[in-house]
Amino acid sequence: EAQVTQNPRYLITVTGKKLTVTCSQNMNHEYMSWYRQDPGLGLRQIYYSMNVEVTDKGDVPEGYKVSRKEKRNFPLILESPSPNQTSLYFCASSLSASNQPQHFGDGTRLSIL
Amino acid sequence: DAKTTQPTSMDCAEGRAANLPCNHSTISGNEYVYWYRQIHSQGPQYIIHGLKNNETNEMASLIITEDRKSSTLILPHATLRDTAVYYCIVLGGWNSGGSNYKLTFGKGTLLTVNP
Repeated sequence: EAQVTQNPRYLITVTGKKLTVTCSQNMNHEYMSWYRQDPGLGLRQIYYSMNVEVTDKGDVPEGYKVSRKEKRNFPLILESPSPNQTSLYFCASSLSASNQPQHFGDGTRLSIL
Repeated sequence: DAKTTQPTSMDCAEGRAANLPCNHSTISGNEYVYWYRQIHSQGPQYIIHGLKNNETNEMASLIITEDRKSSTLILPHATLRDTAVYYCIVLGGWNSGGSNYKLTFGKGTLLTVNP
């Protein structure tokens, strides 16, 4: 089944403890992206990747890192999480960055205490 | 990307067609109209997209006016599982020089399908 898989789905952790949210897609998609969704603020893009080894900042990249060493994986890294990074996170992928629908994972709900 | 305007909420009876309107009067010639939906806190789900012709797939139909300034998403036989927030998005069709392809969701329309 074609899908975007995020892990973990839920995580409660403490300020400053490094964490990684994994994202994997099995559709051979070139484009991958991370979004966060907060009440009243809608969906905001954190980072995106046009292809392997090509990543760039979205609208709210502060406090996050990403890497794209393989086509299928696009992990989101919070080196030193803070409470303002408490949010619902979505990973998405599409065949390319041109007129192709984006497929989303089920989301990761992070709580940083 | 062009801005879109959607009603805040709509109701629909189960089994009836749900018609969700969207205004995008500033759409430009190479921009597509996309529809996504999000069932409470789940990942957004792609529904359909189109440029100027009407489109139909297994989920829905998309009717775009001739001047492309508005469109309507039609769910032909709404079920309770179609209750969700529906987002209409206008997006450039061509990626030039590595430009971003981000989705920007506005407030959308909360469609409630009633039994």
